[in-house]
Amino acid sequence: DVKVTQSSRYLVKRTGEKVFLECVQDMDHENMFWYRQDPGLGLRLIYFSYDVKMKEKGDIPEGYSVSREKKERFSLILESASTNQTSMYLCASSWYRVQETQYFGPGTRLLVL
Amino acid sequence: SQQGEEDPQALSIQEGENATMNCSYKTSINNLQWYRQNSGRGLVHLILIRSNEREKHSGRLRVTLDTSKKSSSLLITASRAADTASYFCATDPGGGSNYKLTFGKGTLLTVNP
Repeated sequence: DVKVTQSSRYLVKRTGEKVFLECVQDMDHENMFWYRQDPGLGLRLIYFSYDVKMKEKGDIPEGYSVSREKKERFSLILESASTNQTSMYLCASSWYRVQETQYFGPGTRLLVL
Repeated sequence: SQQGEEDPQALSIQEGENATMNCSYKTSINNLQWYRQNSGRGLVHLILIRSNEREKHSGRLRVTLDTSKKSSSLLITASRAADTASYFCATDPGGGSNYKLTFGKGTLLTVNP
């Protein structure tokens, strides 16, 4: 079974803090994704990566950056957390073609105070 | 922008009944996928149907795709309380898009014991 893990299930941070969310997949998938999920807005793609050190912006990249130094690990960075970044963050991975089945982690619920 | 739109937004049924959810989309697609999300968790892939397929089955799930109407339906037969979850459709728009698997906002299904 594909396993996608996220570093934290719940996280509470203060406004202005730098926040790191980490995602690890164990199936040698090429592609990894970060989404945020908000009530009434569904899933929105923040960034994705199709290879080590490669990244593409999604729909809402502002205020976020990403890092993929190793194939299995994809980090989402909030450079200076703000209250409007309070959300559920979901990481996913997929095999070769990015539009194929995506495998999701359990999610990180982030609260920015 | 959201490509797939699920209908209804919420559905409440009794255990043993069938549940039908619909997804409509705007542009042509390569494939359409359905995912389930239990409360506060990540999404789980249920089924993928390609644009040249009309129907697919997986256990108690039946998915249909009508590309002429740009719509899909997910039928869960003999529902169980454990089927209580949000269900999302996701579309691969194909064409020039090289990464965007676009999710709808979901249908919240409640199965009452």
